[in-house]
Amino acid sequence: EDQVTQSPEALRLQEGESSSLNCSYTVSGLRGLFWYRQDPGKGPEFLFTLYSAGEEKEKERLKATLTKKESFLHITAPKPEDSATYLCAVPRPLGGSQGNLIFGKGTKLSVKP
Amino acid sequence: DADVTQTPRNRITKTGKRIMLECSQTKGHDRMYWYRQDPGLGLRLIYYSFDVKDINKGEISDGYSVSRQAQAKFSLSLESAIPNQTALYFCATSDSSGGNYNEQFFGPGTRLTVL
Repeated sequence: EDQVTQSPEALRLQEGESSSLNCSYTVSGLRGLFWYRQDPGKGPEFLFTLYSAGEEKEKERLKATLTKKESFLHITAPKPEDSATYLCAVPRPLGGSQGNLIFGKGTKLSVKP
Repeated sequence: DADVTQTPRNRITKTGKRIMLECSQTKGHDRMYWYRQDPGLGLRLIYYSFDVKDINKGEISDGYSVSRQAQAKFSLSLESAIPNQTALYFCATSDSSGGNYNEQFFGPGTRLTVL
């Protein structure tokens, strides 16, 4: 079964304490992996797209990396404003319901000052 | 102005009522989607449309219908609302050009409560 699993479900950090969030997937023929940030009651905000193993993308304190089985979202020296739920998603394989994204359930990040 | 807008932003209704949620986009994207989000269940796809004449059911389409009135407009209807349709609803868009599977961009959401 095609799945996307995110860990941990929740992560509490002190301001400045770097860490990583994990997104593992079992979809064959990966056609991309997407990271989103979601604030409570708001729509997911697109962060990164990764298409191939070894690819990395950076934005401010965030860096996303991709291997053949998983992706990591590294957060360096986080600030309280980085607190949010981070979602990852992958497209279903070709031949299935094309256009559908499989979303993980997210990691809720809290950064305390 | 926001690229993807949803109306209304909040709605409280009663069981059995017909409700329409509307989505408009100025991104020029050809693909549009409707999702619902429930605590603990994540985002689930209700319907998606690859162009005005192409509409497809998602994983939880029962009790919902959609209309793609134009490339920029995609509405979701609940024909007879029931309490377990209380959720946060999101519209999203994406662009099919370029050969890759491209990211989706989400609207701000509609919070629907069915009493």
